[in-house]
Amino acid sequence: EDKVVQSPLSLVVHEGDTVTLNCSYEVTNFRSLLWYKQEKKAPTFLFMLTSSGIEKKSGRLSSILDNKELFSILNITATQTGDSAVYLCAVSPRNQGGKLIFGQGTELSVKP
Amino acid sequence: DVKVTQSSRYLVKRTGEKVFLECVQDMDHENMFWYRQDPGLGLRLIYFSYDVKMKEKGDIPEGYSVSREKKERFSLILESASTNQTSMYLCASSFLGALGYGYTFGSGTRLTVV
Repeated sequence: EDKVVQSPLSLVVHEGDTVTLNCSYEVTNFRSLLWYKQEKKAPTFLFMLTSSGIEKKSGRLSSILDNKELFSILNITATQTGDSAVYLCAVSPRNQGGKLIFGQGTELSVKP
Repeated sequence: DVKVTQSSRYLVKRTGEKVFLECVQDMDHENMFWYRQDPGLGLRLIYFSYDVKMKEKGDIPEGYSVSREKKERFSLILESASTNQTSMYLCASSFLGALGYGYTFGSGTRLTVV
């Protein structure tokens, strides 16, 4: 059975800290892995990863995929209160109509 | 700005009622999806559709049905609402062949069944 597991499920840090969120997966016919940020409303797209070892970066956020060990990490440096959100990891398998398989999400709370 | 619109943000219904959750997208996307989101469980796929009048069961279709009569509209139907269907429901759409980055989500409907 296809599965995506995120850890930790919740995390509390202070502004300026660096955090690492983890996502492991067991999916038949892997195509891509995606990260979303959700703040009390619709999830918004952060990154899509398809190739192992290539880092994607956007400002203070970065992510990398290891498709041999079947995991991805999302790093946030110099955290701000505006980073407080639920971070969702999802995998898109091939030949399944475009559906995504989501992990449980990591709830990040950044305190001032 | 592209949009997926869910008709209600909050909804309270009684056990046994028939409930309709509506989702409309304005991007001419082929794919549309219904997920429910529960704490500790993440998003789980209920049903999806990749064309008008086409539907496919997701991972948790029991107690739900869907309707897609027009390309832009995908409705989720709870035939007889039960308290274990209290949840956040998220609709999404994507173009055919998207690798996943093409997903656009609605803002969600928080349904409470009493």
